Amino acid sequence: GQQLNQSPQSMFIQEGEDVSMNCTSSSIFNTWLWYKQDPGEGPVLLIALYKAGELTSNGRLTAQFGITRKDSFLNISASIPSDVGIYFCAGWTYSGAGSYQLTFGKGTKLSVIP
Amino acid sequence: EAGVAQSPRYKIIEKRQSVAFWCNPISGHATLYWYQQILGQGPKLLIQFQNNGVVDDSQLPKDRFSAERLKGVDSTLKIQPAKLEDSAVYLCASSFQVRYWDILSVEQYFGPGTRLTVT
Repeated sequence: GQQLNQSPQSMFIQEGEDVSMNCTSSSIFNTWLWYKQDPGEGPVLLIALYKAGELTSNGRLTAQFGITRKDSFLNISASIPSDVGIYFCAGWTYSGAGSYQLTFGKGTKLSVIP
Repeated sequence: EAGVAQSPRYKIIEKRQSVAFWCNPISGHATLYWYQQILGQGPKLLIQFQNNGVVDDSQLPKDRFSAERLKGVDSTLKIQPAKLEDSAVYLCASSFQVRYWDILSVEQYFGPGTRLTVT
């Protein structure tokens, strides 16, 4: 099956620093999604990317859909303690006839040191 | 707008017992998904419904797992009998579909999950 390689697996940063994480795949995806999951909660959608090359921002978050449609990155600027959590990338493939497959990466665990 | 509701939030059972989880999606969302998330991994799709029909259940262990969405709204996922390796968080998600020209937007919204521990 399709796999998403997400890196880094974990990171520790100082409050105020910028963060970058990325996701790569050997397969092409039609849509990339970035989620954040807090302990004991379900993933929350942060950003959705629909076109190759697309660059989208949501507050301090910026994400890009790679030109090859096989990769995406997420940047967080000026990190704050509430950014702590696990960030997942997920890629959609649309197989037609209403059937889709959403594949998740293994996540990047972010810790912010005050 | 109310989010995806799931219950129970936690469940502890012994192996070989049965368990059922319930999900109520966001109002108006036609598509409902059940995921299994093992500790340290991303969610893995078990089954997808479009209204009350199954669209994809290729990764559902059908010898022990079953799911239904009889009226096209809420859904139940059952495990019978449970095994130790079924210990995980079971997430329910729902989505609507919007097409912008040639782009299909399928943004999923997740519930808080049910944490299952099998002893």
